[in-house]
Amino acid sequence: GAGVSQSPSNKVTEKGKDVELRCDPISGHTALYWYRQSLGQGLEFLIYFQGNSAPDKSGLPSDRFSAERTGGSVSTLTIQRTQQEDSAVYLCASSLAPGTGELFFGEGSRLTVL
Amino acid sequence: AQSVAQPEDQVNVAEGNPLTVKCTYSVSGNPYLFWYVQYPNRGLQFLLKYITGDNLVKGSYGFEAEFNKSQTSFHLKKPSALVSDSALYFCAVRDIGDDKIIFGKGTRLHILP
Repeated sequence: GAGVSQSPSNKVTEKGKDVELRCDPISGHTALYWYRQSLGQGLEFLIYFQGNSAPDKSGLPSDRFSAERTGGSVSTLTIQRTQQEDSAVYLCASSLAPGTGELFFGEGSRLTVL
Repeated sequence: AQSVAQPEDQVNVAEGNPLTVKCTYSVSGNPYLFWYVQYPNRGLQFLLKYITGDNLVKGSYGFEAEFNKSQTSFHLKKPSALVSDSALYFCAVRDIGDDKIIFGKGTRLHILP
């Protein structure tokens, strides 16, 4: 597809379960970002991938959160032992070149933890 | 570490009036600055950016923003607001030497008919 694709669009899970969120960036985009959007909290930076470099994980809120990017393309954000405060919209964005600023965002994955 | 502040949670403007959405930033070096917009039930879209050069930057949908280094601000402006401009606006910053882009908490803009 032409844009950034995220799945699932909606996920409802029970507290304590693990979830995986997937992001398929625009073909050829080397930079990939994950953000979390919560009501009143704006866009919270989680993690950034650029090519084959080590990711910038400085925004991950706890060790329950992890992400990987395979083959420089698809990325998966994993949340282990989900908590209610993890409920949010998780947004993925890709960019043709790092830091140039024009990020292309997906529609997001809405996570609800019961 | 870089940071960005949007001091207003919400801004209300009458249609046809000029609008300003405020943004201030903190970086250790020279900033790259951005504005994004999120329309209801739609994804975030890029509006404009400042990298270097002219302090007044023009972007999509008639928006512009002015970089002010002494005040560390990058306010978003439009001369005449439209009802269709009602949306959530995010300011973002990237510090030189650090590729991650940090967003503010967003400002909800209401244009009143």
